[in-house]
Amino acid sequence: AQKITQTQPGMFVQEKEAVTLDCTYDTSDPSYGLFWYKQPSSGEMIFLIYQGSYDQQNATEGRYSLNFQKARKSANLVISASQLGDSAMYFCAMREGHDNFNKFYFGSGTKLNVKP
Amino acid sequence: KAGVTQTPRYLIKTRGQQVTLSCSPISGHRSVSWYQQTPGQGLQFLFEYFSETQRNKGNFPGRFSGRQFSNSRSEMNVSTLELGDSALYLCASSLTDGGTDTQYFGPGTRLTVL
Repeated sequence: AQKITQTQPGMFVQEKEAVTLDCTYDTSDPSYGLFWYKQPSSGEMIFLIYQGSYDQQNATEGRYSLNFQKARKSANLVISASQLGDSAMYFCAMREGHDNFNKFYFGSGTKLNVKP
Repeated sequence: KAGVTQTPRYLIKTRGQQVTLSCSPISGHRSVSWYQQTPGQGLQFLFEYFSETQRNKGNFPGRFSGRQFSNSRSEMNVSTLELGDSALYLCASSLTDGGTDTQYFGPGTRLTVL
């Protein structure tokens, strides 16, 4: 089974609107971390936000928030007030706390296009 | 604090040649991971090093190898290059090898094999 599933290959959003990028994960490890990265066309992977499996509150970083629903095993990224510079690939990733030291599992990504 | 650096940024090689890519992690980070990214296969894990030891390896042939030095800098080597090795190679570093540390990525090396 896929460890990380991103079901939206591509999405469009109007500038200044909010957008939600979906991510579901699969693990039996009680300790894990969930990450979102942004990859512009330049290629560099930029860390956006992190959510730990034991965190009680949803993570937020500026315009980014992570909608963490543990029972549903979903970790959706919400970008508020989209900007043209948000156009990029977005990857969801997971690292299990006790298995395969430091091995990250990445989803297939969602390409976000922000329209002016 | 400086980020992860990778050299060279771009590389053009021909089939059969070998190539060495370099990665310098964030200062204090001891874990370095390598990934291959292609349009067809997406992001694939190559291997991970911690304290000069390879801790994890992905499903890649033996032509792909790496090492880590005592200062945590890492190199990745690909021998007998094939056309399919054309890809963006990303290096990432994290503080330790345990828990749920964040990985921080470098800008990548774009390898083209002709």
